[in-house]
Amino acid sequence: DARVTQTPRHKVTEMGQEVTMRCQPILGHNTVFWYRQTMMQGLELLAYFRNRAPLDDSGMPKDRFSAEMPDATLATLKIQPSEPRDSAVYFCASGLVQGAQYSNQPQHFGDGTRLSIL
Amino acid sequence: AQRVTQPEKLLSVFKGAPVELKCNYSYSGSPELFWYVQYSRQRLQLLLRHISRESIKGFTADLNKGETSFHLKKPFAQEEDSAMYYCAPYSGNTPLVFGKGTRLSVIA
Repeated sequence: DARVTQTPRHKVTEMGQEVTMRCQPILGHNTVFWYRQTMMQGLELLAYFRNRAPLDDSGMPKDRFSAEMPDATLATLKIQPSEPRDSAVYFCASGLVQGAQYSNQPQHFGDGTRLSIL
Repeated sequence: AQRVTQPEKLLSVFKGAPVELKCNYSYSGSPELFWYVQYSRQRLQLLLRHISRESIKGFTADLNKGETSFHLKKPFAQEEDSAMYYCAPYSGNTPLVFGKGTRLSVIA
């Protein structure tokens, strides 16, 4: 059963430190998404990529967040410097988009990274 | 603008009672509609999609294009149905747009 893999599962660090979260999408999926989940805001889209190219990162605070896909098997989300308000669960999801003539495939989610900034 | 509204943040029902989780959407074009479920501290999982017209874990959802609604229903709630439920339209050209979610609590 193919799965999206996220590491680390949990991260606790002090304010000001750099945080890097990693995601391995399902093999063959061409679209990767980063979401942030908080009690107050629910699920917010931070950024997404198609065929490794960033399509939209307007949901991401540009001054401290960055998202990249160094290769098709790895997506990263970095926060530098981290702040207490960044504490949340960060989910990665992947999907396959094949074109208008195909039924849209649902996104598959990873287990998330639970981030706590002290 | 794409928007999804799940009017209830919390819905509590007794075991065996019927459940309806509401979802209204505002979306250009003809999106597919999905329901995702998130059990406590777990990943989001696809529950069902409107094009498959199937029943998963006793849940069904009918797309009403006139009312732009995609409400999730189950005739008899079970304790294991307690979870967060998210409605999401999807066009393939844009990411899933999630509603705020509804927390379903089934009371024994």
